[in-house]
Amino acid sequence: GAVVSQHPSRVICKSGTSVKIECRSLDFQATTMFWYRQFPKKSLMLMATSNEGSKATYEQGVEKDKFLINHASLTLSTLTVTSAHPEDSSFYICSAKWAQNTEAFFGQGTRLTVV
Amino acid sequence: AQTVTQSQPEMSVQEAETVTLSCTYDTSESNYYLFWYKQPPSRQMILVIRQEAYKQQNATENRFSVNFQKAAKSFSLKISDSQLGDTAMYFCAFSQGAQKLVFGQGTRLTINP
Repeated sequence: GAVVSQHPSRVICKSGTSVKIECRSLDFQATTMFWYRQFPKKSLMLMATSNEGSKATYEQGVEKDKFLINHASLTLSTLTVTSAHPEDSSFYICSAKWAQNTEAFFGQGTRLTVV
Repeated sequence: AQTVTQSQPEMSVQEAETVTLSCTYDTSESNYYLFWYKQPPSRQMILVIRQEAYKQQNATENRFSVNFQKAAKSFSLKISDSQLGDTAMYFCAFSQGAQKLVFGQGTRLTINP
């Protein structure tokens, strides 16, 4: 299957700083990428959908100014958590699709801890 | 809006037994796709099996098979000859073509030796 690489796998940052998470499709052009947040022992909650070259579409209740998503190329999307606070600590997962393909491929996830 | 419901938060079976995980969904669409994903302790999401709604035949992948009941909006996963490596969280998911995945709450499956 197609490979999606997410980096970093773990990050610890201080409260008030920003942190960037990268999601790369290694062997296909990802026309659409999705960002999820997962709390411990819970399901994946979709945060936003991004199409290459367009602004991301955020789900209701997700702060656009706090979670900045950029999908500048067909192989890279980034999620920047701005002015991070301890409540932003979570597991973030990206997934990617190409064209009209129905299957989504997932990155390994990023565990963010804000101290 | 589409919703996916998994009513079994946890399940536990002995190795080599057969186990069935339940999933129901709600949609007014006629064309859609259903998935079962596995999330082991590594937390990497792994596609287990996929079903196209327009196909009447139930999908199978080795020890994994589904029972897709379109009228009842039910999509259960059967794992035969369960193995220790099957221990994981299992998520049922719904999508319409290239659109976003909607996940159920998940079922934590434990295979005991």
